[in-house]
Amino acid sequence: EAGVAQSPRYKIIEKRQSVAFWCNPISGHATLYWYQQILGQGPKLLIQFQNNGVVDDSQLPKDRFSAERLKGVDSTLKIQPAKLEDSAVYLCASSLLGDTQYFGPGTRLTVL
Amino acid sequence: AQSVTQLGSHVSVSEGALVLLRCNYSSSVPPYLFWYVQYPNQGLQLLLKYTSAATLVKGINGFEAEFKKSETSFHLTKPSAHMSDAAEYFCAVSNQGGKLIFGQGTELSVKP
Repeated sequence: EAGVAQSPRYKIIEKRQSVAFWCNPISGHATLYWYQQILGQGPKLLIQFQNNGVVDDSQLPKDRFSAERLKGVDSTLKIQPAKLEDSAVYLCASSLLGDTQYFGPGTRLTVL
Repeated sequence: AQSVTQLGSHVSVSEGALVLLRCNYSSSVPPYLFWYVQYPNQGLQLLLKYTSAATLVKGINGFEAEFKKSETSFHLTKPSAHMSDAAEYFCAVSNQGGKLIFGQGTELSVKP
């Protein structure tokens, strides 16, 4: 069974630029999560989708971050414009029944 | 509100020694508890989970954890450390289907 796929693996941008990350969950998993992991910290949830609807986006900085999950499968997370403090690893996870979350390899973003 | 506290940001053991990583949680509802491991430049891999069945949970790679409600703890143990166990370990709590709340992580070093 293929795992959660993410791309790109690494991205370096300058502040005020925009960036997008892509996630393809495990086939059949209805729930998809985006987490932000700042160096030295545990991951923090940004947004949770159930199929293509948003369940929880309370921690998403909506003035600069946006996310969508078209057709309830793939998802894209966008940052526009990026700030220095957005430097982090962005992790995507998916879940079949909502109990166990399976994580992708992450995208490491560096904002200069 | 739910929270997780991992005692000790760094733990160092000798190869063959007992591994003990401490995790205490706070939850107003019966929790689901998880331990994940993260190797450098990789995503999170599930070690084991507690979802209200047996209080002693066995996971992959010889790890196990015991849920102690009276102590609000879910400590991770392994009888004999191996060099390949060196990684970052995260304890997490969820409210049965929702987001994961992670601790700060514990970096495990294994000395030869």
